[in-house]
Amino acid sequence: DGGITQSPKYLFRKEGQNVTLSCEQNLNHDAMYWYRQDPGQGLRLIYYSQIVNDFQKGDIAEGYSVSREKKESFPLTVTSAQKNPTAFYLCASRQVDNSPLHFGNGTRLTVT
Amino acid sequence: AQSVAQPEDQVNVAEGNPLTVKCTYSVSGNPYLFWYVQYPNRGLQFLLKYITGDNLVKGSYGFEAEFNKSQTSFHLKKPSALVSDSALYFCAVREASGGSYIPTFGRGTSLIVHP
Repeated sequence: DGGITQSPKYLFRKEGQNVTLSCEQNLNHDAMYWYRQDPGQGLRLIYYSQIVNDFQKGDIAEGYSVSREKKESFPLTVTSAQKNPTAFYLCASRQVDNSPLHFGNGTRLTVT
Repeated sequence: AQSVAQPEDQVNVAEGNPLTVKCTYSVSGNPYLFWYVQYPNRGLQFLLKYITGDNLVKGSYGFEAEFNKSQTSFHLKKPSALVSDSALYFCAVREASGGSYIPTFGRGTSLIVHP
């Protein structure tokens, strides 16, 4: 059954620690995306990748990093430089130009 | 630049009544328009899209949307609401050609259907 898997569903970290969120897809999609969702603010783009070994910053990339070593995987690292990391993080992928995004079920990160 | 506005944070409707969730957009050229639905603690699910052609687009779960170029709107509609339709709805837009091909999302509208 094809889809996008995000893990873990819930993640708790202490302030000052880096944390990596996993995103894996078996849809054979080229493009992958990371969004951050905060209440009342909709979805904000963190990073995106159109092809393996290439990625671009989105609107709120500061304090985040990504890699795209494999087509199936697009992990997101939330670094200690991110000032307000507590949020719901969504990974998505897209097949072709005018197709919709497919989303994972998200990871809720809480940093205390 | 592209943008999308969902003017209502929340829409309340009684079960069985028609519902409308509003969306207006701004792009430089022709738009691709999308509606998604999100249930609590889940990712977004695709409902429908407008690419070209017929202005009335039909999608999943009985939803439809009407593309209105002169009013730059793409309102989501359903003739008879169900309690199970209660969720967060997002409109998204991107330019059909040029640009970064990245969609821009609205802030979302919470739909509450009362029994």
